[in-house]
Order: sequence, then C-alpha cells, then structure tokens
Amino acid sequence: GAGVSQTPSNKVTEKGKYVELRCDPISGHTALYWYRQSLGQGPEFLIYFQGTGAADDSGLPNDRFFAVRPEGSVSTLKIQRTERGDSAVYLCASGTGPSGNTIYFGEGSWLTVV
Amino acid sequence: QQQVKQSPQSLIVQKGGISIINCAYENTAFDYFPWYQQFPGKGPALLIAIRPDVSEKKEGRFTISFNKSAKQFSLHIMDSQPGDSATYFCAARSNTGNQFYFGTGTSLTVIP
Repeated sequence: GAGVSQTPSNKVTEKGKYVELRCDPISGHTALYWYRQSLGQGPEFLIYFQGTGAADDSGLPNDRFFAVRPEGSVSTLKIQRTERGDSAVYLCASGTGPSGNTIYFGEGSWLTVV
Repeated sequence: QQQVKQSPQSLIVQKGGISIINCAYENTAFDYFPWYQQFPGKGPALLIAIRPDVSEKKEGRFTISFNKSAKQFSLHIMDSQPGDSATYFCAARSNTGNQFYFGTGTSLTVIP
C-alpha cells in the first residue's frame, strides 16, 4: 500500500479481554515501530523491529504487552488482560532501517477499555 | 524520563505571525531531529528534519534552528496560517539503536 495501514481504527473492549492490533507497513520498509499516545501527550515508544526480530522492546510497559512480526512485514501488537489504563491510541510507524532517517506513521488504532 | 523536552505546551498566534516551538535534549547519541505535525484523529506526519552538522534548515515557511552545543533545536513557522493549527512534536533519533523519542507536543492555534 501507499502508506502505513493500521486496523482496527477503533476498538472498544471490556476490561480483562485480549486485544490484537495490526500494522501493515510501507512495502519494503524493514524497520517497524509501535508507539502509544495518550490524550495530550507525545508518542511513547513501545517496541522496535528490524526485520523479524525485536531490536528493542524496552518500552513495553509490562508482560501483558507483546508484539510479533513473523515474516518481517505485518506486525501485531497483542495486549492481554486489558486494563482501563491501556486506553490510548496505538501508533505504528515504518522506515527503511538503520540507514534511513525518516519514519512514517499510520493513522493509529484507538483502543478504549471499558 | 522524558528524553526530549518541548515547550510551550500550547501557543496562540495571529495569522501572519511567527510561531516558535522549542526542544531540548541531553543524550549525545541523538543524530537526527525531525518535527512532526499532527491533526486531530490522524497520525503524525513528517514536516521537516535536521542533522546536527547543520545549524539551520529551511523548507518554505518552516525553519529548524539547531544549536548543537546547547543541545537545543527549534521550529519556526513564518507567516502562520489558520491551516497550520495542529499539534507539533519534536523528536530525536538515537544512533545506538535507531529508536525515535518524542517531545510532549505543542498545540498551535492560529487565529484568523
């Protein structure tokens, strides 16, 4: 596709449920990032993939959060036992890798935990 | 710990005026400094970026000024227009791991 695609755009789930958020990066981009953005805040780094492997997952807040990128393209962010504090916009971005400077964001997935 | 500190939190400017947003950092491993513009309900979009070996970069009405010794950089929007009303984020990339860190954002309102 032309840009980074994220689905779903909106997700309302009950506290305690499991959620998956999907990111389809720009074709050919080897770097993929997940960020979380709360209202009125800047994007907060969660995890960075270079290819299939997680090069840096230091931003994941706890073990309820997990992300995969099995074939080096599409990535899924998985949140177990959701809590109301997980409500935020989850942004995905992709880039050309360590030699590339620019990352491009998708529109985000707005998660609301009720 | 906020890796990139941004100010002001909000800014109101008259149409035609200059909007100035400031950012500061401490990590000397940062080697690339982009600015992003975000409209409500949209993802951040790259606006302009600079590397630390350059003190200024201009693209149209947007200019980044970079002070390497002070570890500060700023975005100047000349002839601000109502369509510039958005939230602006500065960011910095670490050369040790390719992570990007963002400021907390500045909500800009340009009054007609």
